[in-house]
Amino acid sequence: DTGVSQNPRHKITKRGQNVTFRCDPISEHNRLYWYRQTLGQGPEFLTYFQNEAQLEKSRLLSDRFSAERPKGSFSTLEIQRTEQGDSAMYLCASSFGQGSYTFGSGTRLTVV
Amino acid sequence: DQQVKQNSPSLSVQEGRISILNCDYTNSMFDYFLWYKKYPAEGPTFLISISSIKDKNEDGRFTVFLNKSAKHLSLHIVPSQPGDSAVYFCAASDSGGSNYKLTFGKGTLLTVNP
Repeated sequence: DTGVSQNPRHKITKRGQNVTFRCDPISEHNRLYWYRQTLGQGPEFLTYFQNEAQLEKSRLLSDRFSAERPKGSFSTLEIQRTEQGDSAMYLCASSFGQGSYTFGSGTRLTVV
Repeated sequence: DQQVKQNSPSLSVQEGRISILNCDYTNSMFDYFLWYKKYPAEGPTFLISISSIKDKNEDGRFTVFLNKSAKHLSLHIVPSQPGDSAVYFCAASDSGGSNYKLTFGKGTLLTVNP
């Protein structure tokens, strides 16, 4: 296993369209996190899964955002009716218990 | 409000010298602290961590110091190398929360000049 994989690396979409990102974590990691990073800011927590259960969602995650982790393996993050303010780097990370996360390379979303 | 603060947006040092990156936090519940390094177009990479039961942790050229009373931590890189040039993020978590989510600072851009 070579780490956390995120696809696509880049996504340009028109405002109002729906987009979906995928994250494949390290296989033995039971925890999966989504973060969002905008220019000049550090990563901000969006949501967290332990196995297949979504245990916490940030207030940053409006009802246009939904995340899933079926069978506790890969995860998807969908944004409906995208807005220009959604433009950011979306980072996925996984871990086993408390400890350092392993981050993926991220998906850069540009909404035009 | 910013619970983890990195007040220096950038730092420039000469190769071979010491780099000191600082971080302050406000949440008393934070008990585990990490430093990540990030190159452009890549995700953050874990560097070093420290638990609140310690005041120092060392790993090769990298040492993290924690001052709990001041709610301050610092990362020392000795000697600095040009390949260390990157954005460094300080992060903190509250292990009592059980989700281990991280709260990040805004980062400090370190430039090591040859």
